[in-house]
Amino acid sequence: GAVVSQHPSWVICKSGTSVKIECRSLDFQATTMFWYRQFPKQSLMLMATSNEGSKATYEQGVEKDKFLINHASLTLSTLTVTSAHPEDSSFYICSARDGTGEKLFFGSGTQLSVL
Amino acid sequence: RKEVEQDPGPFNVPEGATVAFNCTYSNSASQSFFWYRQDCRKEPKLLMSVYSSGNEDGRFTAQLNRASQYISLLIRDSKLSDSATYLCVVNGGSYIPTFGRGTSLIVHP
Repeated sequence: GAVVSQHPSWVICKSGTSVKIECRSLDFQATTMFWYRQFPKQSLMLMATSNEGSKATYEQGVEKDKFLINHASLTLSTLTVTSAHPEDSSFYICSARDGTGEKLFFGSGTQLSVL
Repeated sequence: RKEVEQDPGPFNVPEGATVAFNCTYSNSASQSFFWYRQDCRKEPKLLMSVYSSGNEDGRFTAQLNRASQYISLLIRDSKLSDSATYLCVVNGGSYIPTFGRGTSLIVHP
């Protein structure tokens, strides 16, 4: 199946700093990628849809100025958590559709801990 | 009503048992359906697609009922390694995926 690489796997940072998470499709071109957040024992929550070459579409309640998404190429999308706070601590996962446009393949996730 | 609803968990079953999960969706225009498996603190992984005719992959059988807007997953002969959270995923008309909350399965010896 398609491979999606996500880095870093985990990050610990101080409150107020910014953290960048990368998501790459390794063997296919992804015009659309999705960014999710998951709190412990809760479901995946879609944060935004990242579209190559255009602005991301954010879900209601997600601050676009805090969660900056850039999808500059067909194989790379980045999520930057700006001025991180402890309540931003969560598991962040990206995903991309394969060539059929139906199936989703996920990155391995990033566990963010803000102190 | 949530767009995708799943059975509340956890399901706690002995090895060898047969267990079934249900999922209902509200968008009648939904195009495609999937079951994903997620282990703790890991990314979801595609388990199987769900087709109207029903489909089987080894011990796993998925069914779709479009009239009732209902999807199911049946696991036969449960193994310890089947312990995980099973996520129902529905693609809407624009192929935006919507996830169910997930159903936790615990298989014990």
